Amino acid sequence: GNSVTQMEGPVTLSEEAFLTINCTYTATGYPSLFWYVQYPGEGLQLLLKATKADDKGSNKGFEATYRKETTSFHLEKGSVQVSDSAVYFCALLRDNYGQNFVFGPGTRLSVLP
Amino acid sequence: DAGVTQSPTHLIKTRGQQVTLRCSPKSGHDTVSWYQQALGQGPQFIFQYYEEEERQRGNFPDRFSGHQFPNYSSELNVNALLLGDSALYLCASSFGQLNTEAFFGQGTRLTVV
Repeated sequence: GNSVTQMEGPVTLSEEAFLTINCTYTATGYPSLFWYVQYPGEGLQLLLKATKADDKGSNKGFEATYRKETTSFHLEKGSVQVSDSAVYFCALLRDNYGQNFVFGPGTRLSVLP
Repeated sequence: DAGVTQSPTHLIKTRGQQVTLRCSPKSGHDTVSWYQQALGQGPQFIFQYYEEEERQRGNFPDRFSGHQFPNYSSELNVNALLLGDSALYLCASSFGQLNTEAFFGQGTRLTVV
């Protein structure tokens, strides 16, 4: 079946540190992949996505590359800010249309000044 | 521009009771999806409504049902509540059934006692 695995949190970093949050998936075929972010007190927001192998999604300094060989979609940012503190969810899309997402458990990131 | 709004924000029910949760989509959106997020886990897809019909459904029992109204707002109904139904229920909206970019509300926290 379809599933998403993320590195366990919480992750605590100092401001300007490099961030990696690992995400691997299991799926039949090649699903679209997503990163959603949930800031404190808010709903989930789409951060970035990639729809096919070797695609790179990017937004707000965050990047993730769809790696078919390793079934991975790791999230990276070169220099985190305190405002990046949030919960990050990796997800795949069943059927490649609509909103039938399979989410990972989420990784909480805390960035200290 | 109001985003996705959900009501109520918190709710406490007794085992065996029935509950109705409500969602108003973001302005201009016509598709609504519902998710269940247990504590410490990622959201799980329940179903998606478009043109007042259920279009996709996740692995949830028939106790979970929904409705979409002509103004695109939606309700989630859960019958015969179990303790395990305690969770954060999220609503997401988009424009178009095939659109994969979902905008999420802040959720309704349901506690079953």
